Amino acid sequence: DTAVSQTPKYLVTQMGNDKSIKCEQNLGHDTMYWYKQDSKKFLKIMFSYNNKELIINETVPNRFSPKSPDKAHLNLHINSLELGDSAVYFCASSQDGTSGRAKETQYFGPGTRLLVL
Amino acid sequence: GIQVEQSPPDLILQEGANSTLRCNFSDSVNNLQWFHQNPWGQLINLFYIPSGTKQNGRLSATTVATERYSLLYISSSQTTDSGVYFCAVQNRGSTLGRLYFGRGTQLTVWP
Repeated sequence: DTAVSQTPKYLVTQMGNDKSIKCEQNLGHDTMYWYKQDSKKFLKIMFSYNNKELIINETVPNRFSPKSPDKAHLNLHINSLELGDSAVYFCASSQDGTSGRAKETQYFGPGTRLLVL
Repeated sequence: GIQVEQSPPDLILQEGANSTLRCNFSDSVNNLQWFHQNPWGQLINLFYIPSGTKQNGRLSATTVATERYSLLYISSSQTTDSGVYFCAVQNRGSTLGRLYFGRGTQLTVWP
């Protein structure tokens, strides 16, 4: 009955490799997000999708490409991994607010700990 | 973007003590959430509170939107309360769902 799940939980890889992280939510939410948490625990949004449409695209390297095959899934593909990509990546989801209202509570997955060697 | 400042950055308590965590923000907000990140890294949403007061067991939160701050109260703290508490806000006019996080308060509760 996991609400927001991510795979894998841990990812150790070499510089230059390409890797993907998958996220699924079973809450019936319309919006999904990717966040990056750095070594100092600072959380910053990277992307968001609403009903498979890209809504937020922060200033991240274009080596990062999100893909949403349907509104329950949001995957993150990273090309040519660099040392600085080491971080914890969180997926989150929220129910779409009605027109003019802010989106509501965001629910987070368990995180994927990426270590680039 | 909006600035979010949390204080104190670190807090060490004995079990049973009460504490108040503060979140100041630099602009009007239409979304404010408090999260707890436990020592295993899981982020748990505590409150959605863009204004007013809410209570959930030993935790309560108050947001005074006109004065641009929010407070999280923890009463009778327990060791399981340890972790990092984050405040996250969305300011009016920003893209819906775009939350800005503070740098958190690291809480350690000793038995």
